[in-house]
Amino acid sequence: GESVGLHLPTLSVQEGDNSIINCAYSNSASDYFIWYKQESGKGPQFIIDIRSNMDKRQGQRVTVLLNKTVKHLSLQIAATQPGDSAVYFCAENIDTGNQFYFGTGTSLTVIP
Amino acid sequence: EPEVTQTPSHQVTQMGQEVILRCVPISNHLYFYWYRQILGQKVEFLVSFYNNEISEKSEIFDDQFSVERPDGSNFTLKIRSTKLEDSAMYFCASTVQGMEEKLFFGSGTQLSVL
Repeated sequence: GESVGLHLPTLSVQEGDNSIINCAYSNSASDYFIWYKQESGKGPQFIIDIRSNMDKRQGQRVTVLLNKTVKHLSLQIAATQPGDSAVYFCAENIDTGNQFYFGTGTSLTVIP
Repeated sequence: EPEVTQTPSHQVTQMGQEVILRCVPISNHLYFYWYRQILGQKVEFLVSFYNNEISEKSEIFDDQFSVERPDGSNFTLKIRSTKLEDSAMYFCASTVQGMEEKLFFGSGTQLSVL
């Protein structure tokens, strides 16, 4: 079956440093990926997405990298700020519907 | 910015009771979803709904669960006879097109079954 997992359950970074959050997925048929941010008491918030025909996509302070060869996804946050502290999930989708499979999540803590 | 709203934010119920969780999706969206997250675990897909019928459902979504869009704005999840293991955060989500598209999530309903 499909599985999405994260390499590190927790990550602490100094304010201003860059953060890298990793995600491994197991289904080679997955063709659309999303990174979500979840703050305490809130629902997942969309950060950035990438389709399988791309290997990199940039947003505002965030970059997602996709390596289909090793089925690996990463989220890079530039100049991390205290407001970036949250749990980050990767989610994968297979082009047979809109069911997403979520990873367990990485808790990012930004140290002022 | 439009958002998905869910009520109540917290629901406490006795085992065996029926609960209805309510959601108001974003107004121009056509596809609606329920996900749940047991404390400390992954967000799990329950069901997707389009054109007044279920389009996909997971193994979790058994006969105790049902969904309904009773009017033009609300989307509900009913659990007929709650079990302890139904305790979780339930998230409603919606999208415009339903395929390879980002989900917009509500803030969730924390269900506690005692």
